[in-house]
Amino acid sequence: DQQVKQNSPSLSVQEGRISILNCDYTNSMFDYFLWYKKYPAEGPTFLISISSIKDKNEDGRFTVFLNKSAKHLSLHIVPSQPGDSAVYFCAASAVGFGNEKLTFGTGTRLTIIP
Amino acid sequence: KAGVTQTPRYLIKTRGQQVTLSCSPISGHRSVSWYQQTPGQGLQFLFEYFSETQRNKGNFPGRFSGRQFSNSRSEMNVSTLELGDSALYLCASSPYERQYLNSPLHFGNGTRLTVT
Repeated sequence: DQQVKQNSPSLSVQEGRISILNCDYTNSMFDYFLWYKKYPAEGPTFLISISSIKDKNEDGRFTVFLNKSAKHLSLHIVPSQPGDSAVYFCAASAVGFGNEKLTFGTGTRLTIIP
Repeated sequence: KAGVTQTPRYLIKTRGQQVTLSCSPISGHRSVSWYQQTPGQGLQFLFEYFSETQRNKGNFPGRFSGRQFSNSRSEMNVSTLELGDSALYLCASSPYERQYLNSPLHFGNGTRLTVT
């Protein structure tokens, strides 16, 4: 049972435009969400996070939006740069429910076209 | 500060054999987690250790086991290897008992295991 879903396995975006990566979850207990970025032959690196008490968190070019009623979060990258080409994983956890392990989605491969 | 180190980087084993993977966390980090990455399945949580105690376990068969030493280094063992165990195994460390609160997980570059 995939509790965190990234339905788009891949996405191509022109350099300078906005990249929007989506993630849906089914477990209503999830209250903390993160995005990780992964280059080939490297481990994932943390990008940005958001707790369920917020609906938006920004860090430079990266913004994460959380819609709790729809159980949906998205990552916006503006403007997109060639170095953003990577696989992006969203992850979720139920911090307040004694189950802090991260549940990851299957990833979306983002390709930025120069 | 050195990052999370995983050894070996690549491993080829035969079905039925067993394998041990090693992970050295970032200095000062006491929590170590293991994940399996396969195409189409994302990162699947295996287990987490903190101060030599297993804190959390994923839905993997008993053939998958791990341990953590007093210096926080961790090993993962898979016995009776199956073809489906071929994957990238990632280790991640964190300073805190709760995997990522106040500090996100720091991943190593993984061990690519191929079972033939």
